[in-house]
Amino acid sequence: SSELTQDPAVSVALGQTVRITCQGDSLRSYYASWYQQKPGQAPVLVIYGKNNRPSGIPDRFSGSSSGNTASLTITGAQAEDEADYYCNSRDSSGNHFAWVFGGGTKLTVL
Amino acid sequence: QVQLQESGPGLVKPSETLSLTCAVSGYSISSGYYWGWIRQPPGKGLEWIGSIYHSGSTYYNPSLKSRVTISVDTSKNQFSLKLSSVTAADTAVYYCAREVVAAEGYYYYYMDVWGKGTTVTVSS
Repeated sequence: SSELTQDPAVSVALGQTVRITCQGDSLRSYYASWYQQKPGQAPVLVIYGKNNRPSGIPDRFSGSSSGNTASLTITGAQAEDEADYYCNSRDSSGNHFAWVFGGGTKLTVL
Repeated sequence: QVQLQESGPGLVKPSETLSLTCAVSGYSISSGYYWGWIRQPPGKGLEWIGSIYHSGSTYYNPSLKSRVTISVDTSKNQFSLKLSSVTAADTAVYYCAREVVAAEGYYYYYMDVWGKGTTVTVSS
């Protein structure tokens, strides 16, 4: 099966811009979706498709993709954005109904 | 508003079968969508377990396929997970989620609604 690779940890100063990346072969075939998870809570979808935000997600969250890399950008990070972020996509290696998740990136807002 | 709620035993003995149910409210499972199970061991990342289509077609993580069964009960508007021969490595928070397949000239996939999760500990 495919794998998605994320940096384990990233930090950003309050109000600055941060990019969280996700790499994997499946991203050449499928768009990544991104999830925010705060301690003790379920994941919440923040970006899907080319660059779509569910209702209620602030517009400081945006997504992009190039080749085998997907990126989640937070423009003007806020303290409440401190969380774990996971990417996922369908698996392109054989079973296209399967899903693969990245290992997650812990975002610290300084 | 679509809501998902996991339920089941919080403690399972090694070698036994873990059984969980995900109750769906605010949407009829028989109307469509895929429905999935995802788990998260303590302090670790998310792992997809498997999915079921409203028609009953199932898709499993190859690493768990031999032990997993997912079923749907449209009359109760819920779907279920069974994981057999559990070990301590199966200790995790188990989530259910709705999976979306959308098209805008291209297909894209995401999980838009998640349950709050239920903690399952495997221990004697």
